[in-house]
Amino acid sequence: QVQLVESGGGVVQPGRSLRLSCAASGFTFNKYGMHWVRQAPGKGLEWVAVISYDGSNKYYEDSVRGRFTISRDNSKNTLYLQMNSLRAEDTAVYYCAKDRTTVVSYYFDYWGQGSLVTVSS
Amino acid sequence: DIQMTQSPSSLSASVGDRVTITCRASQGISNYLAWFQQKPGKAPKSLIYAASSLQSAVPSKFSGSGSGTDFTLTISSLQPEDFATYYCQQYFSYPPTFGQGTKVEIK
Repeated sequence: QVQLVESGGGVVQPGRSLRLSCAASGFTFNKYGMHWVRQAPGKGLEWVAVISYDGSNKYYEDSVRGRFTISRDNSKNTLYLQMNSLRAEDTAVYYCAKDRTTVVSYYFDYWGQGSLVTVSS
Repeated sequence: DIQMTQSPSSLSASVGDRVTITCRASQGISNYLAWFQQKPGKAPKSLIYAASSLQSAVPSKFSGSGSGTDFTLTISSLQPEDFATYYCQQYFSYPPTFGQGTKVEIK
């Protein structure tokens, strides 16, 4: 069965960096686009970034563009999110999510359990 | 960006009730509409895509309908495990956007 397991979250000071990882299994990782979606405490869901199956295309939500970088290592079945210049408003649970199709559709059919990032001094 | 508005924001219902949640898009999105269920402290779970197609292994008590700007999620007979927050999401245009959520509580 599809499994997505995030790691790397924690408490970080404003302006610092953090890298999240998402280990994938149960499907052919190198055939699907992958996303990061976040949820601030007590709030709704917000899409953050997407990467195509081969890593050639990447798109970002406006507030993170230029600060966050999505990447993947298909040899390790792992998705990453490098977060730089973190702000208090980036505090959230970050979910990795699998795209349903081989061409990015922005529909998420499987989600990881999430990794909490807290930006605080 | 396309705005997604759900109604109601919360509702109280009893086990066995039929429940309907509405989602409205700020512009037409054809049938590029998904529904997710989220229980407290857990990840969202995909229920429906393409407005009315059930995700694999989702029970048939869940159904979706609509096209264009107006959509509904119906739970035919509410069970204890269905008490959760439900989100709609459009994937017609970039960026994908979610509704604010509808919390279904026990009456």
